[in-house]
Amino acid sequence: AQSVTQPDIHITVSEGASLELRCNYSYGATPYLFWYVQSPGQGLQLLLKYFSGDTLVQGIKGFEAEFKRSQSSFNLRKPSVHWSDAAEYFCAVAFKAAGNKLTFGGGTRVLVKP
Amino acid sequence: KAGVTQTPRYLIKTRGQQVTLSCSPISGHRSVSWYQQTPGQGLQFLFEYFSETQRNKGNFPGRFSGRQFSNSRSEMNVSTLELGDSALYLCASSLPPWTDTDTQYFGPGTRLTVL
Repeated sequence: AQSVTQPDIHITVSEGASLELRCNYSYGATPYLFWYVQSPGQGLQLLLKYFSGDTLVQGIKGFEAEFKRSQSSFNLRKPSVHWSDAAEYFCAVAFKAAGNKLTFGGGTRVLVKP
Repeated sequence: KAGVTQTPRYLIKTRGQQVTLSCSPISGHRSVSWYQQTPGQGLQFLFEYFSETQRNKGNFPGRFSGRQFSNSRSEMNVSTLELGDSALYLCASSLPPWTDTDTQYFGPGTRLTVL
């Protein structure tokens, strides 16, 4: 079955440390890939997206993600986290043929320790 | 440019009632999608509208319906509310036809509580 998996439900990281959030998808074709962030009580904000081309994608707030076709992964990274990065992060996929339907992973909640 | 707006932000209803949620897309955006977010099921696609036509539909019962107006504003309706319909309902807008350079922008959501 087609799915998006975020293996880590919670991650705790110290302020200033690096962060990596994992995302794997299970689809026959390469989908379009997204990372969104959601702060408490808020909607979703797009961090970055991958459609084609360079497999290392830069986003807002210092985030980047790398698409690895061989591993069906699209992991999100940040070299040095700030307390304001505490939020829930969602990986999502879409297919052009399916219109604007996004399929989301279960999310990873990031806690930042001072 | 103003973002996606959703009204109301919070809503409390009782079982059996019906509810209508509203979404105004970013100016110039013509596609509106709706998502339901719950702790148990996560984020799930409800439906998408473009040019007043439903273009795509998720796996939800017929109690969930929507429509889009000529100004691209969209409403979704849930009839005969059940406790399990308590959720954050998110609206997203984009510029179709869906191209490689475009994406969806989300509103703040409507928090629906069914008692």
